[in-house]
Amino acid sequence: QITLKESGPTLVKPTQTLTLTCTFSGFSLSTSGVGVGWIRQPPGKALEWLALIYWDDDKRYSPSLKSRLTITKDTSKNQVVLTMTNMDPVDTATYYCAHRPGSVVYDYWGQGTLVTVSS
Amino acid sequence: QSALTQPASVSGSPGQSITISCTGTSSDVGSYNLVSWYQQHPGKAPKLMIYEVSKRPSGVSNRFSGSKSGNTASLTISGLQAEDEADYYCCSYAGSSTFLVFGGGTKLTVL
Repeated sequence: QITLKESGPTLVKPTQTLTLTCTFSGFSLSTSGVGVGWIRQPPGKALEWLALIYWDDDKRYSPSLKSRLTITKDTSKNQVVLTMTNMDPVDTATYYCAHRPGSVVYDYWGQGTLVTVSS
Repeated sequence: QSALTQPASVSGSPGQSITISCTGTSSDVGSYNLVSWYQQHPGKAPKLMIYEVSKRPSGVSNRFSGSKSGNTASLTISGLQAEDEADYYCCSYAGSSTFLVFGGGTKLTVL
């Protein structure tokens, strides 16, 4: 059974760096084709794809946020970490991590974590 | 503004069929058979309903179907049920640079 869970601060101040951790079970991020992605959703708004890391450590980022994002993995801990620099109130959103099997799709999602950016 | 265009809302009565459109461009929907659809109930995480345009994951009702024509993908729900009331998002691969784009979401109301 695949599960994912996001963790991190619920409140960050403008200009600070956000660090979110996705802890997962039921699959290995060393399996060929597998990836873990991050997607966010501002309150009442649409989903926005942020980043993806593959089993082979290849990474992809949203072009509009690429300069602010870093995604890393710790295969031994079954964790993926997303950092986002220079946080702004417009970055207030629920952040989800999700499992990507071999195809371009996210079939299992975490419950999400709401991050509020406010001074 | 989202990269893929969806109607803000659609509605239908129980038992009816509805279709949600998702319009992209020749750089995303039109170029790849990698469109997926997600259902999201309030306060919940999205759930995968359709992938690779028309494939259903195990456990998803066959009342849900997907298709694509040119730059527009569609999700059809037949035999509407009350539990289908939710937000629906389309998503498409958009090449190695842009990578992945979502639609703005469609709120389905079951009357």
